[in-house]
Amino acid sequence: DQQVKQNSPSLSVQEGRISILNCDYTNSMFDYFLWYKKYPAEGPTFLISISSIKDKNEDGRFTVFLNKSAKHLSLHIVPSQPGDSAVYFCAASAGFGNEKLTFGTGTRLTIIP
Amino acid sequence: DTGVSQDPRHKITKRGQNVTFRCDPISEHNRLYWYRQTLGQGPEFLTYFQNEAQLEKSRLLSDRFSAERPKGSFSTLEIQRTEQGDSAMYLCASSGDGEQYFGPGTRLTVT
Repeated sequence: DQQVKQNSPSLSVQEGRISILNCDYTNSMFDYFLWYKKYPAEGPTFLISISSIKDKNEDGRFTVFLNKSAKHLSLHIVPSQPGDSAVYFCAASAGFGNEKLTFGTGTRLTIIP
Repeated sequence: DTGVSQDPRHKITKRGQNVTFRCDPISEHNRLYWYRQTLGQGPEFLTYFQNEAQLEKSRLLSDRFSAERPKGSFSTLEIQRTEQGDSAMYLCASSGDGEQYFGPGTRLTVT
């Protein structure tokens, strides 16, 4: 069963606007969540993470929000830039990201100039 | 560049042949992970090491797959008697006290 779900396979956003990528999870044991960005022919690149003791974490243009009761997290990118066009993966672990990661299927973000 | 490196980047093999991939982690990282990614899916966990000890293996890792990390440095992943279903991107990651950092992957095509 898919324990981490990204229900939007693709998303297009105008340059300068906000991009919002969503992720849902089902496993209550998950307590650490990460977002990775992937360009073609490269491995995933770590973007930002959040522990279950927080509901928000910010790093520059990237903010991750966690709603534990809804088992939902989202990644906000503002303002969106053409270089943000990539596939974004949500991942979860039961233990600070040092244990195995369970990934979603990814969302392809396209920023329109 | 001191990131995670993987070799080879691409491998084409015939069904039934054995293949071996290598991963060199970031030097100060004590944990090393292998994942597999197929088209349209996210990476799926295969196994991980802390130093030279293999601590967990996924049920995806059939007995045709074996991974080693001698001396706690680089790691190898071997697939014996390859099948067409083994065609995928094999990703290696390493971590210290924080997040996992991924290598560029080895793309395996079994014909």
